[in-house]
Amino acid sequence: KQEVTQIPAALSVPEGENLVLNCSFTDSAIYNLQWFRQDPGKGLTSLLLIQSSQREQTSGRLNASLDKSSGRSTLYIAASQPGDSATYLCAVASWGKLQFGAGTQVVVTP
Amino acid sequence: GAVVSQHPSRVICKSGTSVKIECRSLDFQATTMFWYRQFPKKSLMLMATSNEGSKATYEQGVEKDKFLINHASLTLSTLTVTSAHPEDSSFYICSASGTGFNPDNYGYTFGSGTRLTVV
Repeated sequence: KQEVTQIPAALSVPEGENLVLNCSFTDSAIYNLQWFRQDPGKGLTSLLLIQSSQREQTSGRLNASLDKSSGRSTLYIAASQPGDSATYLCAVASWGKLQFGAGTQVVVTP
Repeated sequence: GAVVSQHPSRVICKSGTSVKIECRSLDFQATTMFWYRQFPKKSLMLMATSNEGSKATYEQGVEKDKFLINHASLTLSTLTVTSAHPEDSSFYICSASGTGFNPDNYGYTFGSGTRLTVV
């Protein structure tokens, strides 16, 4: 059974610092890995999708890497802003299902 | 493309009543819909997978008689929480995949979620 873990559970940084969010998974047989953002009481916004054959994806200030063999993905957010405050979830697609981590709650202070 | 709409966003109901949540695919035909439940500060847990025109497949531990799922058309799936109790209070969210939109290639898209409070 696929297990997805996100570390740290919470993170607080001053504005301008870079954010590093980690995601690990136990079964390397994945189709893809997706990073989401969730604001309090809201749904999920897809940030980046990395296919199993890819090593990284970039969108603006966001960069996500994938090391399938070691079961790890890292989301980097450069030059953080208060608007980046949210919970970030990683999810692994395998065997027709999407398995989520518990998320990292990020607070960026002005 | 691949927009999923969920309604209502928030509902409060009395204990013992039933509540229906709708999930619609707006710009594609959703052959498969997924229903998740999220507890505070916890991960999203898959409750069930429904294929259009077929019975839903429930995950282990999910009561199929309490959480009724209907997927009668290619654009609409509903989750009905029957005889709701306070412990059913939670955030419910749906996702969909379908024709021309394989989530293995494009990723998963989600509805905006429904906050259910049972009093």
